[in-house]
Amino acid sequence: GDSVTQTEGPVTLSEGTSLTVNCSYETKQYPTLFWYVQYPGEGPQLLFKVPKANEKGSNRGFEATYNKEATSFHLQKASVQESDSAVYYCALGVNSAGNKLTFGIGTRVLVRP
Amino acid sequence: DAGVTQTPRHEVAEKGQTIILKCEPVSGHNDLFWYRQTKIQGLELLSYFRSKSLMEDGGAFKDRFKAEMLNSSFSTLKIQPTEPKDSAVYLCASSLGGGLYEQYFGPGTRLTVL
Repeated sequence: GDSVTQTEGPVTLSEGTSLTVNCSYETKQYPTLFWYVQYPGEGPQLLFKVPKANEKGSNRGFEATYNKEATSFHLQKASVQESDSAVYYCALGVNSAGNKLTFGIGTRVLVRP
Repeated sequence: DAGVTQTPRHEVAEKGQTIILKCEPVSGHNDLFWYRQTKIQGLELLSYFRSKSLMEDGGAFKDRFKAEMLNSSFSTLKIQPTEPKDSAVYLCASSLGGGLYEQYFGPGTRLTVL
């Protein structure tokens, strides 16, 4: 079946430093890839999605490139802020599954001022 | 537009009780999902409805978990009987449908089973 593996957290870093959260996926189909973010006390919300291989998605300074050859979709931000502290989920969806998504386990990111 | 609404936000139950969690999806959305969220397992899909029809009922959760869509704007998740290992956050999400649209999540219900 489909699966998503991402960086084990928590990831702790200081404001102004760069962030990378690794995400690798497995599927026999052609996926659309997603990054979701969850702030304390809220449900996850979409950060961005990328439906096509070798394209980049971005939002709020975060970006990720859908690398089909490496089956990866790593999340990056050049300079994090304290407000970026959250749990980040990588997910994949395939057409045969309708709108069902396969989520990674989530990576908690803590940004210290 | 209103987002996904979940009630209650917090629930405390004694072992063996029956609890019912409620969800109102975004108006006009055709797909509805129930998830269980824990730190160890992350997000686990419990149920998936499309236009009120049950598309997937998470195998490991079939015994004591039952989700229903009474109409297109209301869903319930019943856990019967509850066990301490059911303590988790239960999230409801909805989506337009039609193929890989964004899922909109509610704030979740935090369940504690004593």
